[in-house]
Amino acid sequence: RKEVEQDPGPFNVPEGATVAFNCTYSNSASQSFFWYRQDCRKEPKLLMSVYSSGNEDGRFTAQLNRASQYISLLIRDSKLSDSATYLCVVNDIRAYKYIFGTGTRLKVLA
Amino acid sequence: NAGVMQNPRHLVRRRGQEARLRCSPMKGHSHVYWYRQLPEEGLKFMVYLQKENIIDESGMPKERFSAEFPKEGPSILRIQQVVRGDSAAYFCASSTIAGTSRYEQYFGPGTRLTVT
Repeated sequence: RKEVEQDPGPFNVPEGATVAFNCTYSNSASQSFFWYRQDCRKEPKLLMSVYSSGNEDGRFTAQLNRASQYISLLIRDSKLSDSATYLCVVNDIRAYKYIFGTGTRLKVLA
Repeated sequence: NAGVMQNPRHLVRRRGQEARLRCSPMKGHSHVYWYRQLPEEGLKFMVYLQKENIIDESGMPKERFSAEFPKEGPSILRIQQVVRGDSAAYFCASSTIAGTSRYEQYFGPGTRLTVT
């Protein structure tokens, strides 16, 4: 089993749609969780950290379910500019060490 | 520009040559991480450094790869005697050492290494 698993997609959605991605992780000792966004051939950019209580930033909402070991990202009112690959990141027992999922591709269609 | 800086952005080397990749962390950050991304794959941790110290190099291949972060100057990832399988994007990230943001890593634009 991979340490961090994501559905690779692609998810093709119309503008204005709501889309959700899930990510599962295998290490129950993980303490920090993040969503990054990566555009084609560019560097990953931090989208948001994921907190136990869940958190929201504008159109983006992240949730953490420790019991089931999964993280979710919800994007509301999708924009064309949201088209990218979304990377789920979990740290391992060494808090500095990031484990990346392979990413979920999102394409928002006009 | 206070972001993470990497150079060169593109590097072409012939098999057997050496590749040197440089990374300057974000201002105020003293922790540097190197990652490798192969085509169509996720980023893989290679090494974690603080100034003059290698903290964790568990993701580095045992041979031909080395990294340093000297007291002055950028962090350097060095690949000796490159092979075609080394072709990849190499990303550097940096983070601060304390506070609630201490585990948030910010990435540079990457160096795309092509071995011919």
